[in-house]
Amino acid sequence: GQSLEQPSEVTAVEGAIVQINCTYQTSGFYGLSWYQQHDGGAPTFLSYNALDGLEETGRFSSFLSRSDSYGYLLLQELQMKDSASYFCAVRDPYNTDKLIFGTGTRLQVFP
Amino acid sequence: EAGVAQSPRYKIIEKRQSVAFWCNPISGHATLYWYQQILGQGPKLLIQFQNNGVVDDSQLPKDRFSAERLKGVDSTLKIQPAKLEDSAVYLCASSLDGGREQFFGPGTRLTVL
Repeated sequence: GQSLEQPSEVTAVEGAIVQINCTYQTSGFYGLSWYQQHDGGAPTFLSYNALDGLEETGRFSSFLSRSDSYGYLLLQELQMKDSASYFCAVRDPYNTDKLIFGTGTRLQVFP
Repeated sequence: EAGVAQSPRYKIIEKRQSVAFWCNPISGHATLYWYQQILGQGPKLLIQFQNNGVVDDSQLPKDRFSAERLKGVDSTLKIQPAKLEDSAVYLCASSLDGGREQFFGPGTRLTVL
């Protein structure tokens, strides 16, 4: 089966940089996505990596190392509004339109 | 562009009652997903439709859950009868390339008493 591991909680202060790690075990790898979810809100797409390396989108970047089955989401210049849960998700190798989500990392940003 | 619409936003029922949720995906999105999200966990796929056909329902508890997507647009998810452990947020999502980016609705928070 497929599984993903993330830290359950991360804390940081405004203006800082934080990294949220994700390790995965899959029988085949086709891509890693990141989603943000505020309390009571819908998950929203942040980033996607199919190949090794760094993808940058504004203050957010995502990194992938397929050889290590590892990725991370990097959030820079943290703002209070970044307090949310962050989920990594991999494509199911048997149905690549299906995502398997991790358990999520709750980020708390303090002033 | 309008997002994914869901209703109701909140529902409270007693165990053994039935409940139905409705979803209207983004126009043109052929793939529609229903997820169950229990507090503190990631979304878990219940069922995936491609147009009005089922692609994956391997994790749908078929003895009590059912879903349909008539005419390949709107979808409904039903639970009958509900159990206490069904208390969760039910999320609908749609996509063009679902393995990369899915667009989620606001969800329905179900409480079973």
